[in-house]
Amino acid sequence: AQTVTQSQPEMSVQEAETVTLSCTYDTSESDYYLFWYKQPPSRQMILVIRQEAYKQQNATENRFSVNFQKAAKSFSLKISDSQLGDAAMYFCAYPQSGGTSYGKLTFGQGTILTVHP
Amino acid sequence: DGGITQSPKYLFRKEGQNVTLSCEQNLNHDAMYWYRQDPGQGLRLIYYSQIVNDFQKGDIAEGYSVSREKKESFPLTVTSAQKNPTAFYLCASSIVLGDTQYFGPGTRLTVL
Repeated sequence: AQTVTQSQPEMSVQEAETVTLSCTYDTSESDYYLFWYKQPPSRQMILVIRQEAYKQQNATENRFSVNFQKAAKSFSLKISDSQLGDAAMYFCAYPQSGGTSYGKLTFGQGTILTVHP
Repeated sequence: DGGITQSPKYLFRKEGQNVTLSCEQNLNHDAMYWYRQDPGQGLRLIYYSQIVNDFQKGDIAEGYSVSREKKESFPLTVTSAQKNPTAFYLCASSIVLGDTQYFGPGTRLTVL
């Protein structure tokens, strides 16, 4: 079964600094997607970034970038120039690629990010 | 504007009552999903639909039912058989099953 693990329940960062959130996953698939979602206090899940496993280049979206290490099954999120609006719960997610729940997102436990002014 | 809407934002239910949560999308997505989130936890899949008139159970389907009569709509009914329905419910959609999922704003259901 696919599992997703976020080992940091909470992280904090000073405004304008950089922070990295960790995620590891387990899969036997060779081609798949990985996602980071952000859940602010409003509780809506917002897509932050997507990585396709067959692409060796790490995905980047403005201040957000990933460090994707396929062999190590590691998918960390780096937030540069942190802003107060980045404060949220961040979830790493992996879509199931086979079986009875194809397409189901398996989420990690989440990391609460606090941004200090 | 394209997007996913959920209504109501807050819903209160008395024990023994069925309630229906609405989810509508105008993104022309084929696949739709319902997730449940309990405090401090990630999301768990209730039901999903690959295409109109088709839907499948997820990990925690007991006590829930769905329909998919229109591409744009995927309502979720929480029945009286659901023993602990108080939770936050999120609807999502994707172009096709397995592709990137986009979420609605959610419905907070409380059983009184």
